[in-house]
Amino acid sequence: AQSVTQLDSQVPVFEEAPVELRCNYSSSVSVYLFWYVQYPNQGLQLLLKYLSGSTLVKGINGFEAEFNKSQTSFHLRKPSVHISDTAEYFCAVLNSGYSTLTFGKGTMLLVSP
Amino acid sequence: DTAVSQTPKYLVTQMGNDKSIKCEQNLGHDTMYWYKQDSKKFLKIMFSYNNKELIINETVPNRFSPKSPDKAHLNLHINSLELGDSAVYFCASSQTIYNSPLHFGNGTRLTVT
Repeated sequence: AQSVTQLDSQVPVFEEAPVELRCNYSSSVSVYLFWYVQYPNQGLQLLLKYLSGSTLVKGINGFEAEFNKSQTSFHLRKPSVHISDTAEYFCAVLNSGYSTLTFGKGTMLLVSP
Repeated sequence: DTAVSQTPKYLVTQMGNDKSIKCEQNLGHDTMYWYKQDSKKFLKIMFSYNNKELIINETVPNRFSPKSPDKAHLNLHINSLELGDSAVYFCASSQTIYNSPLHFGNGTRLTVT
């Protein structure tokens, strides 16, 4: 079985501050990991993915995430956020050999001036 | 040029009615999905089709019936709508079954009164 935990349901932050959105997963086999962003009234958009190779992956809009196998984590980071980054962020896991993504419950990033 | 398009965007209907949501992708992907997002933003897989063949059928009432006339289309028909069916339904596609990122449509907000 696979599962994802996003510990923070909401993260408020000021513009230009750094941010980290936490994601932990559980799986008994190799995993593929994803971060998606959902802007209001829109579908989900892929931010970045880890399939293999370097554990530090860079995505769109200046986001990056680090895969940590020993801590079963895949935290999302951005060094300086903008107002336009306000959105819901979803972490997702896919076991190798499994065919559907399991999503976390989402973290709402609220960026204020 | 929309990659994954679903119609309608909004659907308001009364309990007991039957309704359909259509989805089309022009990405040439083999796999298509239906996800349900509840009021707390939780995303849950409902169905998955690969090359028109049903491969995932999660615990969903049999009032929900997906139909895939071809690889590019996956429609969702719902019979005898109930209040609890109110949610946002997302169609998605991926290149293959395994480890491919999902491309989402913009969602259909279904409200059952």
